[in-house]
Amino acid sequence: QSALTQPASVSGSPGQSITISCTGTSSDVGGYNYVSWYQQHPGKAPKLMIYDVSKRPSGVSNRFSGSKSGNTASLTISGLQAEDEADYYCCSYAGSSTWVFGGGTKLTVL
Amino acid sequence: QVQLQESGPGLVKPSQTLSLTCTVSGGSISSGSYYWSWIRQPAGKGLEWIGRIYTSGSTNYNPSLKSRVTISVDTSKNQFSLKLSSVTAADTAVYYCARASRGSYIDYWGQGTLVTVSS
Repeated sequence: QSALTQPASVSGSPGQSITISCTGTSSDVGGYNYVSWYQQHPGKAPKLMIYDVSKRPSGVSNRFSGSKSGNTASLTISGLQAEDEADYYCCSYAGSSTWVFGGGTKLTVL
Repeated sequence: QVQLQESGPGLVKPSQTLSLTCTVSGGSISSGSYYWSWIRQPAGKGLEWIGRIYTSGSTNYNPSLKSRVTISVDTSKNQFSLKLSSVTAADTAVYYCARASRGSYIDYWGQGTLVTVSS
């Protein structure tokens, strides 16, 4: 069970859109529609932003969206805002009742 | 509003057993289709899923930690616990307890507690 692969960092200017990828295998991301995304600000607990690939929890801005193609899931943030600067983690069901996280991506808002 | 709070020693000696408890408030640990989970995060690194327990007592563990991990639940106290044996410095991390809904996503997290493994 290896960690899912995310870019170490991405950046964008306020108002722009960015996409964070999360690459796994057919045994995790590609095999199930159970991908979730979490936002983590420094020193804080993670916060759920997207679940079941593309569903948004109540209270999460519609600027956040998720998708999946093959073994790669993606989180897109549109209309970037300063408060979006944080670390983002994907998580996928990996079969046999186990779960795996991505290595995390640091988003910088320029 | 469900709240989770981790508690336990912040310092554990190498080769000993790390023990943490998570107290759930704002709802019964026995109600609903929830899995009660543990996740950890070494300083400056990513999240690692440790394992989870259903209120029936059924458990699932990260294969890489399975031989050293035990998660249990005490419904009378609305708590669940983590034990990690034979710890080394590599087990130093912030440990989070959390609730997983339908087993597919984590919707509530504790604030996290730092556990340092050092002599």
